[in-house]
This record gives sequence, C-alpha cells and structure tokens, in this order.
Amino acid sequence: GNSVTQMEGPVTLSEEAFLTINCTYTATGYPSLFWYVQYPGEGLQLLLKATKADDKGSNKGFEATYRKETTSFHLEKGSVQVSDSAVYFCALSDQAGNQFYFGTGTSLTVIP
Amino acid sequence: DTEVTQTPKHLVMGMTNKKSLKCEQHMGHRAMYWYKQKAKKPPELMFVYSYEKLSINESVPSRFSPECPNSSLLNLHLHALQPEDSALYLCASSQGSSGRRETQYFGPGTRLLVL
Repeated sequence: GNSVTQMEGPVTLSEEAFLTINCTYTATGYPSLFWYVQYPGEGLQLLLKATKADDKGSNKGFEATYRKETTSFHLEKGSVQVSDSAVYFCALSDQAGNQFYFGTGTSLTVIP
Repeated sequence: DTEVTQTPKHLVMGMTNKKSLKCEQHMGHRAMYWYKQKAKKPPELMFVYSYEKLSINESVPSRFSPECPNSSLLNLHLHALQPEDSALYLCASSQGSSGRRETQYFGPGTRLLVL
C-alpha cells in the first residue's frame, strides 16, 4: 500500500541555520509528492510539489527533489527564519488521484 | 486563485446541538474533501465527494453527515457529537480529473469544541 514516513520532531534551529526534514515514501506506480506547511492555528498551505522523478519543487526558499531511486522527497532550506516556525507535512497523491497519504508531521521551531 | 473558504472559524456546541460547517471553492474543482485533525496529528480523511457524489466515506459515525449541494459547496452537518469529536475540521478541493495525481488545496479550517 501507499505510505509516507517522515522525520520525527520536534526540530529546533537557530535563525539562519540549514534545514533538512526527511521524507520517504512507499507507493505503487508514479505518485505526486507534496510538502504542506501548517502555521499555528491555521489550515494547511501547499508549500511545494513535484509530479515526476527528478523534478525539483521550490517555493519561499524551500526545495525538495523527487528521488525515485531512493523513494525520497526531503525538504531543505538554506537559511531558516523565525517566521518558518510551523508544522511541515510530507504527502503523496497516488496514481488514481483521489487519496492523499500524509506523513506524521514535523514541528519546526526557529529561535532568534 | 487557489482559495478554499470555511465558516465558521470557531464553533462551540453542546452534545445535543445540531450545527453545520460550510466550505466553498470557486476554482472549478470537482472533488471536495472533509478531514478531521487532532492536535499534533496529520489530517484524517472523513469523506470525499467527486462530481457531487459521495465516493469515499472512511467509516465515519453517522453523527457526521456530509452534503454537497453543488460543485462549489460542501457542508458537514453535526448532530449529537461527543467531546472527543473536538478537533480542527478541514475542507479541501482538487481538480477531480480521474487518473491524475491531484493537488489538494485546503481551507483554514473550523475549530470545533464539543462540551
């Protein structure tokens, strides 16, 4: 079946530090992969996505590359800000398209 | 525009009350979803509507009753809820084209407290 395994949190970083949040997946066929961000008290916002192998999604300084050989979609940012403090969810949409599979979420706190 | 709106933002209800949550999108999407999210957990899928027909019901108790009056609107009717139903309820939509790996767009959620 389909599943997403996400790095355990919480993660605490100092401002301007480098961020990596690991995400690996199990899926049949060719899923699409997503990162969503949830700020405190809010809904989920699409951060970036990739729809095929070797695609790189990017937005707001965040990047993730769809690696089929390692079934991974790790989220990276070169220099985090306090405003990046949130919960990050990795997710996949399977080839049939109507179901999402979420990782458990990783809470990030950035301290000044 | 990738906006999904939800009302109300907050809701407090007693266990004997009847209330409804509303969700609206104007992106022309034909699939709409209800999720329940408890604190520090990922969203859990409750219902999926595809072309205004209920296509997935994830064994949700009957005290939750979804309704899709048209392609832009999705309601969730609540009746005789329990305190453990307190959560953030998220609505989402996607294009709904079969065979495609869909992006889902989420609303801000309704934070429900059942007393």
